[in-house]
Amino acid sequence: NAGVTQTPKFRILKIGQSMTLQCTQDMNHNYMYWYRQDPGMGLKLIYYSVGAGITDKGEVPNGYNVSRSTTEDFPLRLELAAPSQTSVYFCASSWGGSLHEQFFGPGTRLTVL
Amino acid sequence: AQKVTQAQTEISVVEKEDVTLDCVYETRDTTYYLFWYKQPPSGELVFLIRRNSFDEQNEISGRYSWNFQKSTSSFNFTITASQVVDSAVYFCALSEESSNTGKLIFGQGTTLQVKP
Repeated sequence: NAGVTQTPKFRILKIGQSMTLQCTQDMNHNYMYWYRQDPGMGLKLIYYSVGAGITDKGEVPNGYNVSRSTTEDFPLRLELAAPSQTSVYFCASSWGGSLHEQFFGPGTRLTVL
Repeated sequence: AQKVTQAQTEISVVEKEDVTLDCVYETRDTTYYLFWYKQPPSGELVFLIRRNSFDEQNEISGRYSWNFQKSTSSFNFTITASQVVDSAVYFCALSEESSNTGKLIFGQGTTLQVKP
């Protein structure tokens, strides 16, 4: 099992550009999450999904969009990149609910200049 | 409102010292789960432990131990005889049963540096 994979590992964007961060898991988890980690801070939830076709906003959703057409994939889209979106992005998945631990991907380091 | 506080931003110890990382949480739920994750310099997050709110037994796993006290809303993590490989950022996190979504609320993290 590869677990949770994320691509790309690193990316530099110019202000106003768009991009999609890819996330795939092979554990057949229903629940998936996107977090961002800013320097010296804990992770903050951007969006989450409890199953294919179901997504909802987390704590910091502005400037992002998600879709969940399959159980395996949960891409995160940045439409108009801004310097405030410079961060490390982590995708995670779990079996479901508050009881279960989340498995994290390796992260994507994004810089917006 | 739910919140997790890790007041220690950075801790530096010498190898073989014991070290305790503090975690204080706030929640109105009666059923909730607490987690510790480790983030080594390579950057990935590694799950260490989960505790539910009804289980106040302390847990020991090798050199790691956890002390959960509902009376003080704390879930502290102790590393005994620290090693250089323990150097990492450690996060405490809270998940509330009422959300039923598994959303994690993270503390700010404590950076532990273990010097040889």
